[in-house]
Amino acid sequence: EAQVTQNPRYLITVTGKKLTVTCSQNMNHEYMSWYRQDPGLGLRQIYYSMNVEVTDKGDVPEGYKVSRKEKRNFPLILESPSPNQTSLYFCASRTQGPLRGAQYFGPGTRLLVL
Amino acid sequence: DQQVKQNSPSLSVQEGRISILNCDYTNSMFDYFLWYKKYPAEGPTFLISISSIKDKNEDGRFTVFLNKSAKHLSLHIVPSQPGDSAVYFCAASYQTGANNLFFGTGTRLTVIP
Repeated sequence: EAQVTQNPRYLITVTGKKLTVTCSQNMNHEYMSWYRQDPGLGLRQIYYSMNVEVTDKGDVPEGYKVSRKEKRNFPLILESPSPNQTSLYFCASRTQGPLRGAQYFGPGTRLLVL
Repeated sequence: DQQVKQNSPSLSVQEGRISILNCDYTNSMFDYFLWYKKYPAEGPTFLISISSIKDKNEDGRFTVFLNKSAKHLSLHIVPSQPGDSAVYFCAASYQTGANNLFFGTGTRLTVIP
């Protein structure tokens, strides 16, 4: 089954404690992306990657890091989480060819930073 | 600054009637538009898209209309069903380059049986 998986689905942590949210896709997609969803703001892009070892900032990259060492994985790293990073996070992927199509989203990770 | 706007946070419609969800954008360079549907505790799922070279795209009960001069698009669902109750996000993109998506804030549709 074609899918994007994220782990963990729910996470409660404290300010300053480093954490990683994993994202994996099994569709051999070149493009992967991270979004956060906040009330009244919709989904905003954090980082994206157009292929292995190629990453770039989205609209709200502050406080986040990413890496793309393998095509299927695109982890999101919060080196020192703060309460304003409490949010619902989504990973997404799609093809990067001429027929790009729509992005496929993971189920989401709900993060609470105390 | 929000480049894609959905000004109606919520919409209620009777089962069997038409649902019309609206979306406005400010960037005239956007040339590809999508609608996503989101159920609670799930990620957004792609519903329908339209390229700027068209003004209408239809897929079953779902039709998207694009008015480039007004920078406006709408999603029509006919007939509406209770299973359509969800949050609908409008998104816009460029066909070239990174092709990142810019999302609206969403409209919660409730279809009343």
